[in-house]
Amino acid sequence: QQQVKQSPQSLIVQKGGISIINCAYENTAFDYFPWYQQFPGKGPALLIAIRPDVSEKKEGRFTISFNKSAKQFSLHIMDSQPGDSATYFCAASLSDYKLSFGAGTTVTVRA
Amino acid sequence: KAGVTQTPRYLIKTRGQQVTLSCSPISGHRSVSWYQQTPGQGLQFLFEYFSETQRNKGNFPGRFSGRQFSNSRSEMNVSTLELGDSALYLCASNQLGGTGELFFGEGSRLTVL
Repeated sequence: QQQVKQSPQSLIVQKGGISIINCAYENTAFDYFPWYQQFPGKGPALLIAIRPDVSEKKEGRFTISFNKSAKQFSLHIMDSQPGDSATYFCAASLSDYKLSFGAGTTVTVRA
Repeated sequence: KAGVTQTPRYLIKTRGQQVTLSCSPISGHRSVSWYQQTPGQGLQFLFEYFSETQRNKGNFPGRFSGRQFSNSRSEMNVSTLELGDSALYLCASNQLGGTGELFFGEGSRLTVL
């Protein structure tokens, strides 16, 4: 049973455009929501993370929007660049050292 | 500061064999987690160790086991390999455990024939 559902599976965006990835979760006890970025042949790397007491967090071109009542959160990549082409994973966890990951979104940025 | 190191990076085994994968966490990190990554199931949590104690375990059969040594290095073992065990096995370390940034290694890619 997948605890975090992620969509879309893949997306293509033009350079300079906005990429939006959505995730939904079921367990209201989750208290940490990170996004990881993975390039081919590499392990995932933390991109940005948010806790449920905050509705939005921005770091550079990356923004997390969090809707606690809807149990949804999303990643916005502004001014997308070819170097952003990667697979993005949302995740959620309790304070129990275990991350539940979404299925991943492959983002392709066309120059 | 060196990152998380996993060995071997690639290996091929046959059904019924066993395999041991090794992980050296970032210096000073005491928590080590293991994840299995496959195209069909995505990233699935295997287990987490902190100060040589397993604190949490995912929904994997008993063929999957692990341990952590006093220097925080960790190993995972898969016995009686099945074709479905073919995957990228990722190790991640964290300074204190609990929520917070996980630092992943590049993984060990296991192919079972």
